[in-house]
Amino acid sequence: GNSVTQMEGPVTLSEEAFLTINCTYTATGYPSLFWYVQYPGEGLQLLLKATKADDKGSNKGFEATYRKETTSFHLEKGSVQVSDSAVYFCAQLNTGTASKLTFGTGTRLQVTL
Amino acid sequence: EAGVTQSPTHLIKTRGQQATLRCSPISGHTSVYWYQQALGLGLQFLLWYDEGEERNRGNFPPRFSGRQFPNYSSELNVNALELEDSALYLCASSLGAGARETQYFGPGTRLLVL
Repeated sequence: GNSVTQMEGPVTLSEEAFLTINCTYTATGYPSLFWYVQYPGEGLQLLLKATKADDKGSNKGFEATYRKETTSFHLEKGSVQVSDSAVYFCAQLNTGTASKLTFGTGTRLQVTL
Repeated sequence: EAGVTQSPTHLIKTRGQQATLRCSPISGHTSVYWYQQALGLGLQFLLWYDEGEERNRGNFPPRFSGRQFPNYSSELNVNALELEDSALYLCASSLGAGARETQYFGPGTRLLVL
């Protein structure tokens, strides 16, 4: 079946450090891939997306590249800020899943001064 | 442009009662989705409505039901509430259906069952 695996958190970084959150997926066919972010006490916000292999999604300094050969969609940011502290969810949307988003378990990021 | 809105923001019920949660999609969006985010269980798909019809359902009992109105807004009803129904319920909408349509989420309704 379709699934998404994220690295376990929490991830604790100092401000201005480099961030990588790993995400891999299993899927039949060619899913669209997403990163959503959830700030404390809030709903999910779309951070970025990619709909086909080799696409790069980017937003607010975050980037992720759709890698079909490694079935990965790792999230990166060159210099994190305290305001980036949140839970990050990787997700896929597959043509075979009748519009159901399949989420990873989420990775909590804590950025300190 | 207004995003997805949900009401109420918080809801407290007792076991056995019924809860009704509401969602208004982004203007022009015809598909509405419901997800449950329970502590320790992650984000789980509940229901998908498109053009007024239920299109897909997650692995939840029949006491979870809903509907979509002609203006594309939606209600989620949970009957015979159980303690484990306590969760954040997230609504999302998309322009259409399919693997290329992005789902945009609302702020959620936090349901507490006592």
